[in-house]
Amino acid sequence: DSGVTQTPKHLITATGQRVTLRCSPRSGDLSVYWYQQSLDQGLQFLIHYYNGEERAKGNILERFSAQQFPDLHSELNLSSLELGDSALYFCASSVDLGVGQPQHFGDGTRLSIL
Amino acid sequence: GQQLNQSPQSMFIQEGEDVSMNCTSSSIFNTWLWYKQDPGEGPVLLIALYKAGELTSNGRLTAQFGITRKDSFLNISASIPSDVGIYFCAGRERETSGSRLTFGEGTQLTVNP
Repeated sequence: DSGVTQTPKHLITATGQRVTLRCSPRSGDLSVYWYQQSLDQGLQFLIHYYNGEERAKGNILERFSAQQFPDLHSELNLSSLELGDSALYFCASSVDLGVGQPQHFGDGTRLSIL
Repeated sequence: GQQLNQSPQSMFIQEGEDVSMNCTSSSIFNTWLWYKQDPGEGPVLLIALYKAGELTSNGRLTAQFGITRKDSFLNISASIPSDVGIYFCAGRERETSGSRLTFGEGTQLTVNP
């Protein structure tokens, strides 16, 4: 158990819809990262938050947004969903800004778009 | 963006055999991490490397941070059936914003008892 909690475990929805994925980092970790894992693309970095502030953006679509709340949990919002958004979405956390720290992953949310 | 070349893509071995996999990049990395992912679960950290030339072991696993800072390898000795899974290398580039990880595409390991 990594200590990173993601909910829900599975989400099935339709194209055009909007969903929210939730992540609770390990106790004491201030950084939260979001990754997308598709069958054909491996793990792709989406976005990093540290102590409530956005720190880095990767290949995140404009239809996607995230935030980190004062209690340090984070949410990833995906809107106007397309079939290609079907993937595993992972959250990871680390103690600080992460440069010298490994990231610990949750078990992911499997998003299926029908 | 930066890609990590991880090889081999898959391996089929007999229980008891040793395994070696590696990652290379075109740019310099200041951190190398090795993760294992089981079906339905998130990647689990196996070994973290922070200095060029560093050699670190975790039980039957050994990983090294290449001297050129552009590669890393992971060895598994005396493999057992529970070693089955996908192994990912991940790295942090020296020049980019410090925190993001770039992942290799994984090595799928199958161990036949």
